[in-house]
Amino acid sequence: SQTIHQWPATLVQPVGSPLSLECTVEGTSNPNLYWYRQAAGRGLQLLFYSVGIGQISSEVPQNLSASRPQDRQFILSSKKLLLSDSGFYLCAWSTGPPNTEAFFGQGTRLTVV
Amino acid sequence: GIQVEQSPPDLILQEGANSTLRCNFSDSVNNLQWFHQNPWGQLINLFYIPSGTKQNGRLSATTVATERYSLLYISSSQTTDSGVYFCAVYPYSGGGADGLTFGKGTHLIIQP
Repeated sequence: SQTIHQWPATLVQPVGSPLSLECTVEGTSNPNLYWYRQAAGRGLQLLFYSVGIGQISSEVPQNLSASRPQDRQFILSSKKLLLSDSGFYLCAWSTGPPNTEAFFGQGTRLTVV
Repeated sequence: GIQVEQSPPDLILQEGANSTLRCNFSDSVNNLQWFHQNPWGQLINLFYIPSGTKQNGRLSATTVATERYSLLYISSSQTTDSGVYFCAVYPYSGGGADGLTFGKGTHLIIQP
């Protein structure tokens, strides 16, 4: 069966520090991968979408970037965190385009101080 | 882009009660999912239901695609049903988005 792993679960980082969140999927090949952010406990917003290695689509201009160095690995990064980057970040995967069922990881709660 | 509205925003019920959560969307969809976000934040898949009716234990869902709404039914509520329920869609036309569009959720509290 397929599983998705996301780490760390929680993170407290100072303003201006770098960020790296990692997500890996097991049990499937060539998944579509997504990064979402949830602010203020409601509603998720799509940040990045990837259909394959090195292929990244950005939905929202921001202080963040994403990379996909391997087929089942998706990384969310920032060079310098802002207070507004605080939130709950979730990685997701699907077997095909967005009209196929999506499954989410456990999430990372990021607090920028 | 597509708009997703969920109602009610908040719901408080006694254990054993039944509830109906609604999701309205502004365009035709070819993906509609219901999720339960538990107190730890994890999104649990409940239903993948772009059309039709499905049931899983005490939960069932119906999507009427032609009328652009979906309903999630919870029967005989338990305290473990508490949390936020999200509806998320992907428009049939694509609409420029590359992922699901989420509603703001229904916050359900089941009191013992």
